Amino acid sequence: AQKITQTQPGMFVQEKEAVTLDCTYDTSDPSYGLFWYKQPSSGEMIFLIYQGSYDQQNATEGRYSLNFQKARKSANLVISASQLGDSAMYFCAMREGIGNQFYFGTGTSLTVIP
Amino acid sequence: NAGVMQNPRHLVRRRGQEARLRCSPMKGHSHVYWYRQLPEEGLKFMVYLQKENIIDESGMPKERFSAEFPKEGPSILRIQQVVRGDSAAYFCASSPIPSHEQFFGPGTRLTVL
Repeated sequence: AQKITQTQPGMFVQEKEAVTLDCTYDTSDPSYGLFWYKQPSSGEMIFLIYQGSYDQQNATEGRYSLNFQKARKSANLVISASQLGDSAMYFCAMREGIGNQFYFGTGTSLTVIP
Repeated sequence: NAGVMQNPRHLVRRRGQEARLRCSPMKGHSHVYWYRQLPEEGLKFMVYLQKENIIDESGMPKERFSAEFPKEGPSILRIQQVVRGDSAAYFCASSPIPSHEQFFGPGTRLTVL
């Protein structure tokens, strides 16, 4: 089974609107971390937000928030007040326990429409 | 505080040549990870190294690929006798300790002609 599943290959959002990018994960380890990265057309990977499996509250970083639903094993990224510069690929990733590697989803391409 | 450095940013090789990709981790980071991103896909883990040690190479192809992280100098990902299927973006990440956020470099885009 896929460790990380991103079911939305492409999304469009109007500028200044909010958008939710979906991510579900699969692990039997009670301790894990969930990450979101942004990859603009220039190619670099930019860290956005982190959620630990034991964190009681949903993580927030500026306009980014993570809607963490543990029972559903989902970790959706919410971007509020979208900006043109938000147009990029977005990857959800997970680290299990004290494991060494990150597991990445296939990404969601977000396009912000003026 | 400089981030993770990778060079070259773009590398073109002909089939059968060798490719050497370099990664300098962030200052104070002794843990290095290499990932490969094929076109239209997410990143796939290749190898995790600490200084002078390969800790986990479960994602490395069995042949032609090797990695090292010497006591001095950058980490090197080496691909011998490249084939067209090796064309991809190769990302290096580093962390100060394991189980911590990984900071990614800008990637090296390898094109095999």
